[in-house]
Amino acid sequence: NAGVTQTPKFQVLKTGQSMTLQCAQDMNHNSMYWYRQDPGMGLRLIYYSASEGTTDKGEVPNGYNVSRLNKREFSLRLESAAPSQTSVYFCASSAVREGLPVYEQYFGPGTRLTVT
Amino acid sequence: AQSVTQPDIHITVSEGASLELRCNYSYGATPYLFWYVQSPGQGLQLLLKYFSGDTLVQGIKGFEAEFKRSQSSFNLRKPSVHWSDAAEYFCAVDHSGGYQKVTFGTGTKLQVIP
Repeated sequence: NAGVTQTPKFQVLKTGQSMTLQCAQDMNHNSMYWYRQDPGMGLRLIYYSASEGTTDKGEVPNGYNVSRLNKREFSLRLESAAPSQTSVYFCASSAVREGLPVYEQYFGPGTRLTVT
Repeated sequence: AQSVTQPDIHITVSEGASLELRCNYSYGATPYLFWYVQSPGQGLQLLLKYFSGDTLVQGIKGFEAEFKRSQSSFNLRKPSVHWSDAAEYFCAVDHSGGYQKVTFGTGTKLQVIP
């Protein structure tokens, strides 16, 4: 079991360039998430997908789009990168079933993105 | 506003000393509560969680946390810190009734000195 994998590990973009961060999980989890981590701000939810075919905005969705390609994969796209999007991005997954206690999230190793 | 507060940005303890990391939340109902640890350059790993029942919960790596409803707190403790515990610790709150909308605190960075 690889758990949650993310590619790439590092990326440098120029302002205005686009890119897609890839995330995959092999735990058959229903829910997947994208967070960004900035110094002194903890993790902030960008988008999440409660199940295949659905996506919802989190706390900081502006400037991002997501695709839940299938149950395993959840990608994050920056259409026109800005320096404010310099951050470490984490993907996570969890198994959630309605009416049951929440399950913990499993995190990938992160992607460090710098926008110049 | 609803929030999760970790008042200590950075804590330094000696190896073998006890540790307490503070976490307070400001949600109306009792939320689901978590502590995660992040080692340098790594993703987050769950230490422990509280849903209901016994207010003292045990986690991995010898950590425990106590939920105190009257103080809206969920402090993390360890009786004897090891050098390998040096990391950043995040308190998190699911305030959506189990639907995984989690808010993280800003983190406490733990330094362990010999």
